[in-house]
Amino acid sequence: DVKVTQSSRYLVKRTGEKVFLECVQDMDHENMFWYRQDPGLGLRLIYFSYDVKMKEKGDIPEGYSVSREKKERFSLILESASTNQTSMYLCASSLLEGAGETQYFGPGTRLLVL
Amino acid sequence: AQSVTQLDSQVPVFEEAPVELRCNYSSSVSVYLFWYVQYPNQGLQLLLKYLSGSTLVKGINGFEAEFNKSQTSFHLRKPSVHISDTAEYFCAVSGLDQTGANNLFFGTGTRLTVIP
Repeated sequence: DVKVTQSSRYLVKRTGEKVFLECVQDMDHENMFWYRQDPGLGLRLIYFSYDVKMKEKGDIPEGYSVSREKKERFSLILESASTNQTSMYLCASSLLEGAGETQYFGPGTRLLVL
Repeated sequence: AQSVTQLDSQVPVFEEAPVELRCNYSSSVSVYLFWYVQYPNQGLQLLLKYLSGSTLVKGINGFEAEFNKSQTSFHLRKPSVHISDTAEYFCAVSGLDQTGANNLFFGTGTRLTVIP
């Protein structure tokens, strides 16, 4: 079974703090993704990576950055957290690049920025 | 560009009744279509997907979906729901984004509530 783990289930931070969200997958998947999920908006792609040290912007990259130093780990960084970044963050991975690939999701991190 | 519309944000249904969750997509190229389910306080997991072949796709937990190219729809159905089916359901389409990468485009979700 594919397992995608996220470092925290719940996180509370203050405005202006630097926030790190960690994601690890254990199935040697090439691709990793970060989404945010908001009520009524579904899932929106923040960043993705198809290889180590590679990253591409998704639909809403502003205010975020990512790091992929190792194949199994993909980190999402909020450089200076703001209240509008309060959300559920979901990490996902897939084996290969290409249409039709199944994405496997972690349990999510619910972030509250005060 | 690809997009997905889930017409119903909330669907209440009585236990053992049938249910249909609607999904329409727009795409100018061949599509791959997915339904994911999110149980409370969990991440998403794949219910089923359509890549090619038979337009009727069977998934886990008794769900099935039918790909209808002429109506650009991929509705999800279950003939008899159970309390444990209470969850949020997301339809998604796979396609090229602005970078040329194949990514998933999600609908806004349908919250299915099964009433005892």
